[in-house]
Amino acid sequence: DVKVTQSSRYLVKRTGEKVFLECVQDMDHENMFWYRQDPGLGLRLIYFSYDVKMKEKGDIPEGYSVSREKKERFSLILESASTNQTSMYLCASSLGRRSSNYGYTFGSGTRLTVV
Amino acid sequence: AQKVTQAQTEISVVEKEDVTLDCVYETRDTTYYLFWYKQPPSGELVFLIRRNSFDEQNEISGRYSWNFQKSTSSFNFTITASQVVDSAVYFCALRVQGGKLIFGQGTELSVKP
Repeated sequence: DVKVTQSSRYLVKRTGEKVFLECVQDMDHENMFWYRQDPGLGLRLIYFSYDVKMKEKGDIPEGYSVSREKKERFSLILESASTNQTSMYLCASSLGRRSSNYGYTFGSGTRLTVV
Repeated sequence: AQKVTQAQTEISVVEKEDVTLDCVYETRDTTYYLFWYKQPPSGELVFLIRRNSFDEQNEISGRYSWNFQKSTSSFNFTITASQVVDSAVYFCALRVQGGKLIFGQGTELSVKP
């Protein structure tokens, strides 16, 4: 079974802090994704990556950046956390470069609270 | 525009009732994939089904069934004889060329004993 592991389940950070959310997958998937989930809005794509050192903006990239130095790891960075970034963050991975027929495997999520 | 709409925000049923979760999608792509995911209280999204745009056969898996109708751009999900363990948030999603997965807003299903 593919496993996607997010380093923290719950996180509380202060406004203005730099925050790193880590995601690791163990099945050699090419594609990795970061979503945020908010009530009534579903899941919205922040950034994604099809390969090492590649990144592409999703629908709501403002205030975020990402890093993919190794194939198995995809980090989401909040450069200066703000209260409107309080949310559930979900990482996902999938097999197949730019392939549309594969589903995603999700991590358990990180619930980030910015105070 | 690529979009998925789940008009039902919350549904509450009593155990053993049948329940249908609606999903309507928009895309100009001729090849696309539709998914349903379940998110139990633990938070992890669990894959339920994938359907490609060329396969309009309905699918049944135990108490779950899916009705894909291209003519109405709908991919509805029915749970027969619901159980308390079915309580979760359910997401419909569309995957288009380029690989991005676009989610609906989710439907929170509550099954009461």
